[in-house]
Amino acid sequence: GESVGLHLPTLSVQEGDNSIINCAYSNSASDYFIWYKQESGKGPQFIIDIRSNMDKRQGQRVTVLLNKTVKHLSLQIAATQPGDSAVYFCAEDNNNDMRFGAGTRLTVKP
Amino acid sequence: DGGITQSPKYLFRKEGQNVTLSCEQNLNHDAMYWYRQDPGQGLRLIYYSQIVNDFQKGDIAEGYSVSREKKESFPLTVTSAQKNPTAFYLCASRKTSGTSGELFFGEGSRLTVL
Repeated sequence: GESVGLHLPTLSVQEGDNSIINCAYSNSASDYFIWYKQESGKGPQFIIDIRSNMDKRQGQRVTVLLNKTVKHLSLQIAATQPGDSAVYFCAEDNNNDMRFGAGTRLTVKP
Repeated sequence: DGGITQSPKYLFRKEGQNVTLSCEQNLNHDAMYWYRQDPGQGLRLIYYSQIVNDFQKGDIAEGYSVSREKKESFPLTVTSAQKNPTAFYLCASRKTSGTSGELFFGEGSRLTVL
């Protein structure tokens, strides 16, 4: 899983399998959460977001789950593709102060 | 096209020199942010600004300075006081009126101190 720290967790999956990336956030007052994807040498790109009044939100091939009780966020990617290989970050927002987790590197094996 | 532009993409500097990284956005966003990213690590907040002529320190502001004289511009100066300035610097912006949304990021500036 992912948490604020000095090392980058990694996840390796087979093409076509589902991926689950986890994130532990720190501030119980945070009311908005985002998942970003970052490819090498580029800026992060928005994937999906969720507000604290929800516990699940679905996009195209992606689902975000929020568990406020344990301050846990997860990103599920269905039918993972080689193009999904990247570093994934969760971010929490409290009054426009947005903080990021350390990231998880996802590698998709053909 | 609307977006956020950082320049330069790559920058080399000698120790003891100040350097300024440019960040411009034409999205009419109120808030702008600077993050630092080291290899294999996440994004750490340096400074952010929610309105013109106002900005707040993030977690690692020491050795950096910013200004917000115009809504569309938020330059970051890496001063000689920054002990380990070699890093990838990311600028971002977002709308803050009404319901806040995602951050939009630039493509980053990679600074190397020789």
